[in-house]
Amino acid sequence: GQNIDQPTEMTATEGAIVQINCTYQTSGFNGLFWYQQHAGEAPTFLSYNVLDGLEEKGRFSSFLSRSKGYSYLLLKELQMKDSASYLCAVRVLGQAGTALIFGKGTTLSVSS
Amino acid sequence: DGGITQSPKYLFRKEGQNVTLSCEQNLNHDAMYWYRQDPGQGLRLIYYSQIVNDFQKGDIAEGYSVSREKKESFPLTVTSAQKNPTAFYLCASKEDSNTEAFFGQGTRLTVV
Repeated sequence: GQNIDQPTEMTATEGAIVQINCTYQTSGFNGLFWYQQHAGEAPTFLSYNVLDGLEEKGRFSSFLSRSKGYSYLLLKELQMKDSASYLCAVRVLGQAGTALIFGKGTTLSVSS
Repeated sequence: DGGITQSPKYLFRKEGQNVTLSCEQNLNHDAMYWYRQDPGQGLRLIYYSQIVNDFQKGDIAEGYSVSREKKESFPLTVTSAQKNPTAFYLCASKEDSNTEAFFGQGTRLTVV
């Protein structure tokens, strides 16, 4: 089966750096995504990794190791508005096409 | 502007009634997805469709049905067979060659 694990909750302070980990066991791996979701709203795309290594985009970076089934999202210079749920999602390729499978999300609380 | 639209935003239904949630996109995307999200949980895949007139069951398809008669539209029907239908429903679409999925704003369904 497909399994994606993330910590349930994390807390951090403004200006700090936080790393949110994601481990996955899936078949037909075809890329990993990170989304941000504020309460009651739709998820918004943050980053995408398909090859091993680090992808940097402003204050956000994402890392992937396919051999270890591991990714992390790094948030720098935390702001209060970064308080949200962060969803790790794996794109899997099967006979029926591609599907995007989500983890349960990590709720990040940023305090002043 | 191009986008993906879900309607209505809030929906109330009596127990035992079928209800259909709308999802329309004008992004010319081939693939469309329906997810369910319960409080504090990640997104669980209900159904997905790669092309018109074809769709596949996701992890929690029981009690739901879909159709894909047009590329732009992927309605989800929550039937009376779904034992616990109250949830936040999210529709997404993506172009296979692109990296990210675009989400609608969601429909919060409450069954009383």
